[in-house]
Amino acid sequence: EAGVTQSPTHLIKTRGQQATLRCSPISGHTSVYWYQQALGLGLQFLLWYDEGEERNRGNFPPRFSGRQFPNYSSELNVNALELEDSALYLCASSLGSWENSPLHFGNGTRLTVT
Amino acid sequence: KNQVEQSPQSLIILEGKNCTLQCNYTVSPFSNLRWYKQDTGRGPVSLTIMTFSENTKSNGRYTATLDADTKQSSLHITASQLSDSASYICVVPRAGNMLTFGGGTRLMVKP
Repeated sequence: EAGVTQSPTHLIKTRGQQATLRCSPISGHTSVYWYQQALGLGLQFLLWYDEGEERNRGNFPPRFSGRQFPNYSSELNVNALELEDSALYLCASSLGSWENSPLHFGNGTRLTVT
Repeated sequence: KNQVEQSPQSLIILEGKNCTLQCNYTVSPFSNLRWYKQDTGRGPVSLTIMTFSENTKSNGRYTATLDADTKQSSLHITASQLSDSASYICVVPRAGNMLTFGGGTRLMVKP
């Protein structure tokens, strides 16, 4: 079974540009979560998509947005990039309600903003 | 306030030694607690999920304990190996299908 895949693995952008990160969940998983992990810090929740709808978002500005496609893959878009957006962006998927099942994480996209 | 606190922040041990990582939580209501291992530059991988009724659960050389009364969990690693070097993250779900992450313990196993 293929795991959660993210692309690209690394992305370098300059301040003010826009970045698009992609995630393919495990086959059959309908929920996709996005997290930001700045260097040396814990995971911060960004967005949760389920069945194509945004279900919840974390405490991030509106320039962080995304969507989920009919095949349950997802995109995270970050507009007007700032230096502090440099981080590892992790995508995770789950099979519906994950209350008693683990989230499965991808290996992330390392975004560097210069 | 829903919080998950982990200690120590970092730990260095010699290969072959045992170690114990701690997690204290204040998340309520409580349903389960998860331990994840995150290798540098990679995504977290689930080690174990402990529900309210479970006190101990093992996964190979990893043993997690849970005391729901004191709201504490520990992760014990036996006979450490170099490949155990990673960050270990304690995670507790809360209402609204959200997760509260601890800050992690960074473990380094030296030969």
